[in-house]
Amino acid sequence: SQQGEEDPQALSIQEGENATMNCSYKTSINNLQWYRQNSGRGLVHLILIRSNEREKHSGRLRVTLDTSKKSSSLLITASRAADTASYFCATDARGAQKLVFGQGTRLTINP
Amino acid sequence: DTGVSQDPRHKITKRGQNVTFRCDPISEHNRLYWYRQTLGQGPEFLTYFQNEAQLEKSRLLSDRFSAERPKGSFSTLEIQRTEQGDSAMYLCASSLVGTGVGQYFGPGTRLTVT
Repeated sequence: SQQGEEDPQALSIQEGENATMNCSYKTSINNLQWYRQNSGRGLVHLILIRSNEREKHSGRLRVTLDTSKKSSSLLITASRAADTASYFCATDARGAQKLVFGQGTRLTINP
Repeated sequence: DTGVSQDPRHKITKRGQNVTFRCDPISEHNRLYWYRQTLGQGPEFLTYFQNEAQLEKSRLLSDRFSAERPKGSFSTLEIQRTEQGDSAMYLCASSLVGTGVGQYFGPGTRLTVT
């Protein structure tokens, strides 16, 4: 069963615009990770945010975490065509080692 | 390239045949995970190893599935008597305990059961 839900399920924007994706989850977590997956490929690890952190940056990526609302957001600034992919959030619940993924957001960047 | 490799990348098999997939994790990583992903869904956890010990198995891992990690290095996932419902991408990931840097995934093995 999937713990998280990403919102929106699909997002289409113009190149250069910012893209925001949201993730909600159900249980207390150790950390939350965001992954990118190009069609038919494996997952690329983008960023990990710990449960005691509220915001993290990596290049054009900004991730926020609100543990009181059990939600996270991923912002991609100045989007590029190469950012077209599916984006997944994944959580590891306290006491567990496995990752639980949402269903992902399909992001399309139009040139 | 994350350093996790999987072989084969694609496998087409007839229903009822056995298949085996291999995963080579990042060399210093002591945890290795298997996930399954069907079209349009996020990956779902199957099992994980710490060194050579298999510490958790999902209820998704029926008795037709078996995974091993001899000597705590590479791992194999075998599916016996394949069914069409086994068609999916099988993903392997590895991590290093205590670093908190997350799991790194391989490119996956896409299985098609005809």
